[in-house]
Amino acid sequence: EAQVTQNPRYLITVTGKKLTVTCSQNMNHEYMSWYRQDPGLGLRQIYYSMNVEVTDKGDVPEGYKVSRKEKRNFPLILESPSPNQTSLYFCASSQHRGTEAFFGQGTRLTVV
Amino acid sequence: QKEVEQNSGPLSVPEGAIASLNCTYSDRGSQSFFWYRQYSGKSPELIMSIYSNGDKEDGRFTAQLNKASQYVSLLIRDSQPSDSATYLCAFQGSGYALNFGKGTSLLVTP
Repeated sequence: EAQVTQNPRYLITVTGKKLTVTCSQNMNHEYMSWYRQDPGLGLRQIYYSMNVEVTDKGDVPEGYKVSRKEKRNFPLILESPSPNQTSLYFCASSQHRGTEAFFGQGTRLTVV
Repeated sequence: QKEVEQNSGPLSVPEGAIASLNCTYSDRGSQSFFWYRQYSGKSPELIMSIYSNGDKEDGRFTAQLNKASQYVSLLIRDSQPSDSATYLCAFQGSGYALNFGKGTSLLVTP
């Protein structure tokens, strides 16, 4: 089954404790991205990757890191999480730029 | 800044009626347009994609694109209570980002 898989689905952590949210897709898509979704603000892009070893900042990259060492994986790293990073996070992939994006199940992160 | 404007709603329609959702966008270089449905707490699910001016139909859904007016819409025929969700409009602009609107909340009442 074609899918985008995120883990974990739910995470509660403390301020400053490094964490990684994993994202994997099995569709051989070139393009992957991370979004956060907050009430009243909609979906905002954090980072995106056009292919292996090619990443760039989206609209809200501060406090986040990403890497794309393999085509299928695109982890999101929070080196020192803060409460303002409490949000619902989505990973998405698409075959190419401009084609349909498919989303993972989401990760609800709470930073206390 | 690339903007997508949607009426936040809620848009309330009776079961069996046509729901009409609208979206305007600012980037004239936009080439690809999408409608997603999102249930509360769930991930966005692709409903329709449209790339050229005119109408595109898929089952009960019809997407309409007018690039000259920078306007895209989604019609849902024979609306069902299960269609109650937030509908997100998105477009691929001249950059690499997929730009999303904040969504229109649709409520279909039995």
